[in-house]
Amino acid sequence: ETGVTQSPTHLIKTRGQQVTLRCSSQSGHNTVSWYQQALGQGPQFIFQYYREEENGRGNFPPRFSGLQFPNYSSELNVNALELDDSALYLCASSLYPGGDFPSGNTIYFGEGSWLTVV
Amino acid sequence: EDKVVQSPLSLVVHEGDTVTLNCSYEVTNFRSLLWYKQEKKAPTFLFMLTSSGIEKKSGRLSSILDKKELFSILNITATQTGDSAIYLCAVIMIKAAGNKLTFGGGTRVLVKP
Repeated sequence: ETGVTQSPTHLIKTRGQQVTLRCSSQSGHNTVSWYQQALGQGPQFIFQYYREEENGRGNFPPRFSGLQFPNYSSELNVNALELDDSALYLCASSLYPGGDFPSGNTIYFGEGSWLTVV
Repeated sequence: EDKVVQSPLSLVVHEGDTVTLNCSYEVTNFRSLLWYKQEKKAPTFLFMLTSSGIEKKSGRLSSILDKKELFSILNITATQTGDSAIYLCAVIMIKAAGNKLTFGGGTRVLVKP
């Protein structure tokens, strides 16, 4: 148990639709990152939020957007879904954006949300 | 472009065998390399390596980093069926946004009884 919870665990959407995935970070963690993991591949960084502000973004189009709330929970929104968006979406929380390992700044992953686009 | 490559892509071994997984990287401003085990969904942390030549050990698992040749290996001795998983390595770079991890493609390990 990492203390990071994601919802929903599985969902199926139709191409062109929009989806919102949610993540509750571990208590006290102020940084949340989102990753996309396609089948058979390693996770790819989408973006990171630190204290409600976007703090870095990977090579994903603008239809991937996010939010972080005052309680540090986060949402990932994907508009105009495409078939290639089908993947496991992982949320990871940590205490600082660039803290020292292993003094306590460990990255904790949630169980992920499986998105299938048909 | 920053790159992390894992090999082999997959392997099948029998219980009791020893497994060696490789992770090579070409990144700017390297800070640390991490190994994760992914059994179903959430990757679970195994090791973090920052200094060259210092072996990290946890039970039957061990790992070492070579910053001159830009690679790391993860060893699993006396494998058990519970070691079956995808093993991911990831690099953190100093310039990266916060704790952004750049992952390799993973190595899928299947341990047969």
